[in-house]
Amino acid sequence: EAGVVQSPRYKIIEKKQPVAFWCNPISGHNTLYWYRQNLGQGPELLIRYENEEAVDDSQLPKDRFSAERLKGVDSTLKIQPAELGDSAVYLCASSLEGLAGTVLYNEQFFGPGTRLTVL
Amino acid sequence: RKEVEQDPGPFNVPEGATVAFNCTYSNSASQSFFWYRQDCRKEPKLLMSVYSSGNEDGRFTAQLNRASQYISLLIRDSKLSDSATYLCVVILNAGKSTFGDGTTLTVKP
Repeated sequence: EAGVVQSPRYKIIEKKQPVAFWCNPISGHNTLYWYRQNLGQGPELLIRYENEEAVDDSQLPKDRFSAERLKGVDSTLKIQPAELGDSAVYLCASSLEGLAGTVLYNEQFFGPGTRLTVL
Repeated sequence: RKEVEQDPGPFNVPEGATVAFNCTYSNSASQSFFWYRQDCRKEPKLLMSVYSSGNEDGRFTAQLNRASQYISLLIRDSKLSDSATYLCVVILNAGKSTFGDGTTLTVKP
């Protein structure tokens, strides 16, 4: 089974330029996450989708970041304009959430990430 | 105070040693708990889920203590290949997930 696919793997841009990241989740997974990870820190949730609905975007800097998940499958995260502080690894993850008896299962599986460098 | 806290380490242990990591969380509404492993410049990979009754997978044992609001990961008979950063993640009942900043483990020959 194919895992989470992300592109591009690396991106170098100058500040004030726009940039977009693409994610294709594991087939059948209803929940999709975008995270940002800085060196030496854990992933920080930016936005979470359940199917095509953004159910948690409280950590998304909405002045410059936007995301969409049309048709509830692929997703795109955009930054416009990029700032120096946006340099980080942007990770996409997906999960299939549900109940097995009384146990909630929602393990997340990550893509390889996009390493963004803003100069 | 961070919502999820881990001792950053690094933990430097010899092969064959037993090592344990803790992860504390502040929100009592947390519902699901996991340990992930992350190698340098790679994505996090699911290591194991953490269940209320505790669970074991080979050399790895995970425990949950809801009263004290922490989870733990025990690694027995450490291998060189266990060297990595171990991340805990806590998920609220509303689905929001919060990662710790990770604990770095180096296993030496």
